[in-house]
Amino acid sequence: ETGVTQSPTHLIKTRGQQVTLRCSSQSGHNTVSWYQQALGQGPQFIFQYYREEENGRGNFPPRFSGLQFPNYSSELNVNALELDDSALYLCASSYPGLAKETQYFGPGTRLLVL
Amino acid sequence: AQKVTQAQTEISVVEKEDVTLDCVYETRDTTYYLFWYKQPPSGELVFLIRRNSFDEQNEISGRYSWNFQKSTSSFNFTITASQVVDSAVYFCALSEARSNYQLIWGAGTKLIIKP
Repeated sequence: ETGVTQSPTHLIKTRGQQVTLRCSSQSGHNTVSWYQQALGQGPQFIFQYYREEENGRGNFPPRFSGLQFPNYSSELNVNALELDDSALYLCASSYPGLAKETQYFGPGTRLLVL
Repeated sequence: AQKVTQAQTEISVVEKEDVTLDCVYETRDTTYYLFWYKQPPSGELVFLIRRNSFDEQNEISGRYSWNFQKSTSSFNFTITASQVVDSAVYFCALSEARSNYQLIWGAGTKLIIKP
């Protein structure tokens, strides 16, 4: 158990809808990263938040957005859902904010877009 | 560009056999980190090991061992006396300074340990 929690565990949405995924980082960790993992593939980096500021972004469109709160928990928002957004969304936390530090992952949220 | 290659898509062995998972990486950076993660069917990525580019010393942790060779850009993972509980997908990942240490992942190797 890493202490990183994510909610919900599973979610079903339809095309065009919006979704918010949540992540609580491990105690003391001030950096949160989000990844998308399609079935049978490795994770793809979406973005990272450090002390409530975006600290790096992967090759994802602007309809993928995020927030980090003062308690270091985080949200991933996806607007105008597309079928290809169906994936496992993983949140990882690390400390002390140095990007090179080891990231510890939560159990993920499985999103299905119909 | 940085890249991680795990050429073995799936490996199947009988319990108690030794098995090696291969990982080859590409980077132009001199400062980088290599990782191995385990992903059981539940989906959670479990951290196994991190090595930095300045430390080529091999590491052993119980039945697990890792062989880091900069000369061949490889970071291979060996499980000795495999057990059914080792069945999972294993990912190798790279992070480098010039990319702000974003994790770049291999495609993963699915390891099946048969009883």
